[in-house]
Amino acid sequence: SYELTQPPSVSVSPGQTASITCSGDKLGDKYACWYQQKPGQSPVLVIYQDSKRPSGIPERFSGSNSGNTATLTISGTQAMDEADYYCQAWDSSHYVFGTGTKVTVL
Amino acid sequence: EVQLVESGGGLVQPGGSLRLSCAASGFTFSSYDMHWVRQATGKGLEWVSTLATAGDTYYPGSVKGRFTISRKNAKNSLYLQMNSLRAGDTAVYYCARGGGAVAGTGFDYWGQGTLVTVSS
Repeated sequence: SYELTQPPSVSVSPGQTASITCSGDKLGDKYACWYQQKPGQSPVLVIYQDSKRPSGIPERFSGSNSGNTATLTISGTQAMDEADYYCQAWDSSHYVFGTGTKVTVL
Repeated sequence: EVQLVESGGGLVQPGGSLRLSCAASGFTFSSYDMHWVRQATGKGLEWVSTLATAGDTYYPGSVKGRFTISRKNAKNSLYLQMNSLRAGDTAVYYCARGGGAVAGTGFDYWGQGTLVTVSS
């Protein structure tokens, strides 16, 4: 079955850039989405179709996808961005979520 | 405003059954794919099932043959019938809306979740 692998944790200082990777076989041939989940809350879609932002998502969130890796970038990271982040893709009639990355803003 | 409200969670014994419901409002329910996603305490997100607008259903191997997704468009409702439940099915179950007919649009709205606990 298809797997998406993310680093367990990423630490970033306020105002700096955080990059979260998502690795999967030929992931660049598929669309990647990204979700943010804060403690006790439901997930929120922050990136779809590799790099598009839903309405209401700040411009500091951006995405890319090529080769075997999709990347979520948070520019000018704010304390409110501290959360778990999950990538997602569709493969062989199955949705797959990544293993999740906890972003800590130090 | 798009709203998804799950209900039907609770405590069930191993081998038992449970039916989850998701009441949708604020959009044309029949025009969107709908999904169930679960999350065990302290764990990541796990896709559980999808029901496309055309009626196609999809499941991962972990629930295929035990879970059934369905919808009643006239009632703006999505359901998940869960049979032969196991301890490993214990999780918060979320209802989510597909982002659109185009590929790669993700799950753009989520409910607040309903907790299912499988234990004797």
